[in-house]
Amino acid sequence: NAGVTQTPKFQVLKTGQSMTLQCAQDMNHEYMSWYRQDPGMGLRLIHYSVGAGITDQGEVPNGYNVSRSTTEDFPLRLLSAAPSQTSVYFCASSPPGANVLTFGAGSRLTVL
Amino acid sequence: GNSVTQMEGPVTLSEEAFLTINCTYTATGYPSLFWYVQYPGEGLQLLLKATKADDKGSNKGFEATYRKETTSFHLEKGSVQVSDSAVYFCALSDVPNEKLTFGTGTRLTIIP
Repeated sequence: NAGVTQTPKFQVLKTGQSMTLQCAQDMNHEYMSWYRQDPGMGLRLIHYSVGAGITDQGEVPNGYNVSRSTTEDFPLRLLSAAPSQTSVYFCASSPPGANVLTFGAGSRLTVL
Repeated sequence: GNSVTQMEGPVTLSEEAFLTINCTYTATGYPSLFWYVQYPGEGLQLLLKATKADDKGSNKGFEATYRKETTSFHLEKGSVQVSDSAVYFCALSDVPNEKLTFGTGTRLTIIP
């Protein structure tokens, strides 16, 4: 069982470039989410989805887009990267109502 | 809105010492409470949880009791090991909503 798989693990972008962080889970979890982790600020929710075709904003959604066309995949798109988006990004999933997240290993993004 | 406040780190202890990491919360309703642990270079893993007042969550020698009267969920371990060195996050979730609100994390280092 692979769990939650994130790619890439590391990425360096220049300001203004776009990219997509990929997240896939093989546990048939309905709920998926993206967090960013910054020093001294813990984890903050960016976007989440309670099922295919349904997405919603979290605490810090600006500058990020998501879509959920399948149960398995939940990509996070940065349309025009900014240095403030330098962070470690975590994807997580959960069965409905379980309140227990399974996290991916993280993607470290640096925007120059 | 919901919030979680953790004791600030870093915390450094000698092996076999007693550990307490404080966590208090603010929430509407009756949230579930969690402790997650992040080992170096990895994503977060669920350590323990409690879903209602006076519940005690326990795992790997760690314990935390859901105290509604003091809105607290302090993490304790009687005798820490070097392998417990990690960052610990307190979190809450409004049932049945899977959105988690995290504290800022406490870095724990255990020295032999």
